[in-house]
Amino acid sequence: EDQVTQSPEALRLQEGESSSLNCSYTVSGLRGLFWYRQDPGKGPEFLFTLYSAGEEKEKERLKATLTKKESFLHITAPKPEDSATYLCAVLGEANSKLTFGKGITLSVRP
Amino acid sequence: DAMVIQNPRYQVTQFGKPVTLSCSQTLNHNVMYWYQQKSSQAPKLLFHYYDKDFNNEADTPDNFQSRRPNTSFCFLDIRSPGLGDAAMYLCATSVVGRPNEQFFGPGTRLTVL
Repeated sequence: EDQVTQSPEALRLQEGESSSLNCSYTVSGLRGLFWYRQDPGKGPEFLFTLYSAGEEKEKERLKATLTKKESFLHITAPKPEDSATYLCAVLGEANSKLTFGKGITLSVRP
Repeated sequence: DAMVIQNPRYQVTQFGKPVTLSCSQTLNHNVMYWYQQKSSQAPKLLFHYYDKDFNNEADTPDNFQSRRPNTSFCFLDIRSPGLGDAAMYLCATSVVGRPNEQFFGPGTRLTVL
């Protein structure tokens, strides 16, 4: 069974204080790892797809990286508008559905 | 803009009173999903459609049913809502073969009194 664990559960940063969010996964044959952003009361918004270890993707202040066991979402010089819950999900060869983690709630103070 | 629309955004129902949530999409995607998400929890897949082919998750209670009358619309019926069914219900769409690129609607927040 595919599993995704995200840590920490919540993270509070000062504006400009860079940090990383962790997503550890167990999957039989990774077809892809995905990061979503979810604002309160809204649906998840797609951010990145990573397919193989060593791959990196960037978007503004966010950078996602992937190893064979985990993925990191690095946030450089965050701003208050980066405050949200960040969800990680995996798609394995044995499954046709995404397995999501519980998410990491990020709060960035001005 | 192409999008996934859910109605209503907020739904209040009484214990045991049937409720229907609606999802429509202008993306012309052939796969539609319904997820349940409780506070601080991961989205939990209830079922999905490949075109008209219905795929139920093994642990989805019988209390939850779905209909997809055409490509654009999908409905979630909760026949007898219990207090434990209070949650955010998310609809998502994707193209066959690309389940990772799921586009989510804004969700319907269900409250059960």
